[in-house]
Formats: sequence, structure tokens, C-alpha cells
Amino acid sequence: SQQGEEDPQALSIQEGENATMNCSYKTSINNLQWYRQNSGRGLVHLILIRSNEREKHSGRLRVTLDTSKKSSSLLITASRAADTASYFCASRFNTDKLIFGTGTRLQVFP
Amino acid sequence: KAGVTQTPRYLIKTRGQQVTLSCSPISGHRSVSWYQQTPGQGLQFLFEYFSETQRNKGNFPGRFSGRQFSNSRSEMNVSTLELGDSALYLCASSLGGVPDTQYFGPGTRLTVL
Repeated sequence: SQQGEEDPQALSIQEGENATMNCSYKTSINNLQWYRQNSGRGLVHLILIRSNEREKHSGRLRVTLDTSKKSSSLLITASRAADTASYFCASRFNTDKLIFGTGTRLQVFP
Repeated sequence: KAGVTQTPRYLIKTRGQQVTLSCSPISGHRSVSWYQQTPGQGLQFLFEYFSETQRNKGNFPGRFSGRQFSNSRSEMNVSTLELGDSALYLCASSLGGVPDTQYFGPGTRLTVL
């Protein structure tokens, strides 16, 4: 079973717009990560946020974490066509298995 | 450093056969995890090995097994293949600490006919 549920399942925007994806998880975590997957390929790590952090930035990415609501969000600002991909959250407690969410398919139109 | 490599990249098998997939982690990484990805079930965790020991296991039948060698390379085996085993099998390696970042290979696309 999957730990994370992501919302929305699919998102279509124009280049230059911002894209926001949300992730909810079920159990306690030490950290939450976001990954990107281009069609049918391996996943690429984007950013990791620890349970004692509330917000983290990396380039055009901003991730927030609310442990009281067991939720996280990923914001991609000024989207580009190259951002078209599926985005997954993944959470883990200590050395337990890393569990991935259901993913959000992002389509950015030029 | 070279990335995670998986062989073969594509595989076609028939029901009842068995298959072995291979994963070579990034040099220095001691943890290797395997995932199955299908359109219906998404990314499902299979198992994780750390220093040749299985550290975590997902909810898959015993037909799915794996192992890790002393050089951290890993193999997974699926016996008595079923049509539902058709999927993209992804391997990821990491240092194995907490927290750790997973580095994924390109995957092996298995088709069972």
C-alpha cells in the first residue's frame, strides 16, 4: 500500500505559471522527499525536507511540510515545458521502507 | 561517478518463466532498493538490501526475491511469471543512512506474454 496520496492527480498549465502539488501521508516521518520522473524513466531526486523544517527552497522549487496535518506541498515557480513530468512525494521513518505517493502528472504547455 | 545501471533494459517473457534482473549501484552506496511501477498500482516497494542483508520488505508474494552481493550489486528474481508482473522495475541505491537520497536507475521494462 502507498503511504502518500497526491493531489491533484494531473495538472495542466501554461509556461510561466506556477504549479502546486500536494501530498498527504499517514504515519510519522523523519523526512519527506520529492522526486520527478520523466515518462517511463527512472526517478530523479528534487529536494528533501526534514520533519523539523517547515519550508525549504531549491532554485524554482519550494517545499513546505506540516507535520500536524501530515501534509507537504511542492511549488514550482515560473514553469517551463521541460518541467513536464510526474512528481512523487516519498516519506520514511528512520530506516523503514521509503514509501512513494500516487504522483501528480504535470503538463506544461509552451 | 557512474550512475545506477540496470540490466537488461527490456525483457519479454512468457507466463510461467522466471526472470533475473540486475542492478549495479553507485560506487560507495551500500543500500539498494527495488520498486515495481505499474499504471494501476503506481510505485510499489519490493525490498531493500543494506550490506548484503534484507532490511525491509514490501507486500509481494514469495515469487519475488532478491539478494545483494559483497560489492553491493543486487539482483532480483521473479519466478513463475504472471501477466500481472508486467511492469517497470526500478532499482535505487543510496548510502543507507538517515536521511538518505535515493538514486534511481533507468529501470527494466518487463513484459510478460
